[in-house]
Amino acid sequence: QQPVQSPQAVILREGEDAVINCSSSKALYSVHWYRQKHGEAPVFLMILLKGGEQKGHDKISASFNEKKQQSSLYLTASQLSYSGTYFCGTESGRGSNYKLTFGKGTLLTVNP
Amino acid sequence: NAGVTQTPKFRILKIGQSMTLQCTQDMNHNYMYWYRQDPGMGLKLIYYSVGAGITDKGEVPNGYNVSRSTTEDFPLRLELAAPSQTSVYFCASTDPTGSGTDTQYFGPGTRLTVL
Repeated sequence: QQPVQSPQAVILREGEDAVINCSSSKALYSVHWYRQKHGEAPVFLMILLKGGEQKGHDKISASFNEKKQQSSLYLTASQLSYSGTYFCGTESGRGSNYKLTFGKGTLLTVNP
Repeated sequence: NAGVTQTPKFRILKIGQSMTLQCTQDMNHNYMYWYRQDPGMGLKLIYYSVGAGITDKGEVPNGYNVSRSTTEDFPLRLELAAPSQTSVYFCASTDPTGSGTDTQYFGPGTRLTVL
């Protein structure tokens, strides 16, 4: 089952904050976040495991609520370089051969 | 390390033609994956492999075949190309350790158009 991402698109001015959500109808073992620039391959941002803590690096962080099967990606003080499409990929269990099911993506545009 | 490489970068096929998309990784990863990406739809898993000689279907395998004779290579074969196979194809690999570092590394993609 494909996870649902919201919003589908968001436009920010440089320095503003954004939250991108990822929800699944299935119990999750892990959530992976990727960013993809136009015409390029997805690039890994971070992974959150069941029972793990909130993660972050630089001004991008994420949380994982196992009970609600939801994850949120937080982008603070956005920079122009944050523009791109953000995907969450969910893994339902360790027996899944590390297969990920990706959401449809959230297009983030950061303007000067 | 080159990481994950894919060839060709672009290809135009006529309906009914066949082709093989090449994927090679130099990270000694056992797990490899093929995805297709259509506009606004995210990434859909076509086939995956957990090691040389072992492959399995993903979510959208129809019209495709794979083989995995070596750890490094995971080619994707399209037989009898159809317009519905127009897409961007990404190959990815991972070496899961179970410690939360099993990121998937993606190749640069192959943009395929079937006319």
